[in-house]
Amino acid sequence: GQNIDQPTEMTATEGAIVQINCTYQTSGFNGLFWYQQHAGEAPTFLSYNVLDGLEEKGRFSSFLSRSKGYSYLLLKELQMKDSASYLCAVSTGTASKLTFGTGTRLQVTL
Amino acid sequence: KAGVTQTPRYLIKTRGQQVTLSCSPISGHRSVSWYQQTPGQGLQFLFEYFSETQRNKGNFPGRFSGRQFSNSRSEMNVSTLELGDSALYLCASSLAFGGNSYEQYFGPGTRLTVT
Repeated sequence: GQNIDQPTEMTATEGAIVQINCTYQTSGFNGLFWYQQHAGEAPTFLSYNVLDGLEEKGRFSSFLSRSKGYSYLLLKELQMKDSASYLCAVSTGTASKLTFGTGTRLQVTL
Repeated sequence: KAGVTQTPRYLIKTRGQQVTLSCSPISGHRSVSWYQQTPGQGLQFLFEYFSETQRNKGNFPGRFSGRQFSNSRSEMNVSTLELGDSALYLCASSLAFGGNSYEQYFGPGTRLTVT
C-alpha cells in the first residue's frame, strides 16, 4: 500500500525558518511533490524532486532522500501569507497520479 | 492564459441522486486528473484522462466515473450518491508530455454536499 506521513500542525514566527517533514512508503516512486493550499482555495505547485538532494526556489527549498523515503520542505523568512496547508505527494505512476499526505497546517504568528 | 475552470462551484444533492461535474483544462493541456478532498481523508486520486482515454484509476467504487472529450474537457459522474460523497472535487490539468509536464494546475473545485 501507500503511506505518506507528515505532521498535522506546526506553528512558527514571522521571519523564522520552518522545516516540514514528510516520510513515505510507496510501491514505486516517480517523484515527490509539495503543494501549498490556502483555506478554501485550490492547491498550488511548489516543488518537484525526483533525484536525491536539495532543490531551491526563492524562499522555499525541498529535499529528497529516496533511500530513506524522506523529504522536507524548508520555508525561510516566513511571512504571514505563508499560513496554509502544505501537502506532500508522491507519484507512483504518471506524474498526474499523485498520492497525497493529509497535509501540514502551518500557522505563522507575529 | 486562463486557468483550470470547474462548474458548478457548489452543488447540493440528496442521497440516491446522480451528479455530473465539469472541468475545462488550461489551453494546450491534454491530461486531466480528478481528486476528492475531505477533512478526514485528505486529497485522494480518482482517475486521470489523456486523449479521451482513462490512463490511471484510484481506489473508488464504480459509482464514480468520468470521461474526456476531444477538446480535453472532462466530466466526472457520481451515481447513487451517498452522504460520504460530500467533498470538494478538484480537477487538475497538465501538459502530459514535454516541458514541465509533471506540474499539475488545480481548478477551484466543486463543493458537493449530499443530504
